[in-house]
Amino acid sequence: SQTIHQWPATLVQPVGSPLSLECTVEGTSNPNLYWYRQAAGRGLQLLFYSVGIGQISSEVPQNLSASRPQDRQFILSSKKLLLSDSGFYLCAWDKGVPDTQYFGPGTRLTVL
Amino acid sequence: GQSLEQPSEVTAVEGAIVQINCTYQTSGFYGLSWYQQHDGGAPTFLSYNALDGLEETGRFSSFLSRSDSYGYLLLQELQMKDSASYFCAGSYGNKLVFGAGTILRVKS
Repeated sequence: SQTIHQWPATLVQPVGSPLSLECTVEGTSNPNLYWYRQAAGRGLQLLFYSVGIGQISSEVPQNLSASRPQDRQFILSSKKLLLSDSGFYLCAWDKGVPDTQYFGPGTRLTVL
Repeated sequence: GQSLEQPSEVTAVEGAIVQINCTYQTSGFYGLSWYQQHDGGAPTFLSYNALDGLEETGRFSSFLSRSDSYGYLLLQELQMKDSASYFCAGSYGNKLVFGAGTILRVKS
């Protein structure tokens, strides 16, 4: 069976500090991978998606970036965090047709 | 653009039936999904409709009408554990676009 991991579960960072969130998928190959952000009480905002190694599509221009160094690894980064980067970050995967996506447990980021 | 509209909040009593509606923009659309999210948790997949009609999965059913650009999630025999946020999501190309979510409050 497939499993998706995200870490850390929670993170408190000062403004201006760097960020690295990691997501890995087990039990499948060549998945589509996605990063979402969810503000408190709000919907899911798609940040990045990837259909293969090294292929990244950005949906929202901001101070975040994503990379996919391996088939089942997706990384979200920032060089300098802003207060507005606080939120619940979710990684998800699907197998080509984005009708059924499977989400990781999420990382709750607070920028102070 | 691509956006989906759904009510912000619905309240119902235990044992009742509730319907959560969703309207979507048709350009590039090819299917409608529903996800459930409990407080503090990650969204989990409930159902998907690519064709018009009703899909039933236990107490939950989902409906799609392409001619009306409309779908709904129907929850029957409501239980307290159904209290959660429910999101409709449209499939557009390589991605899902999510609605803002509907908070369902189930009262005893």
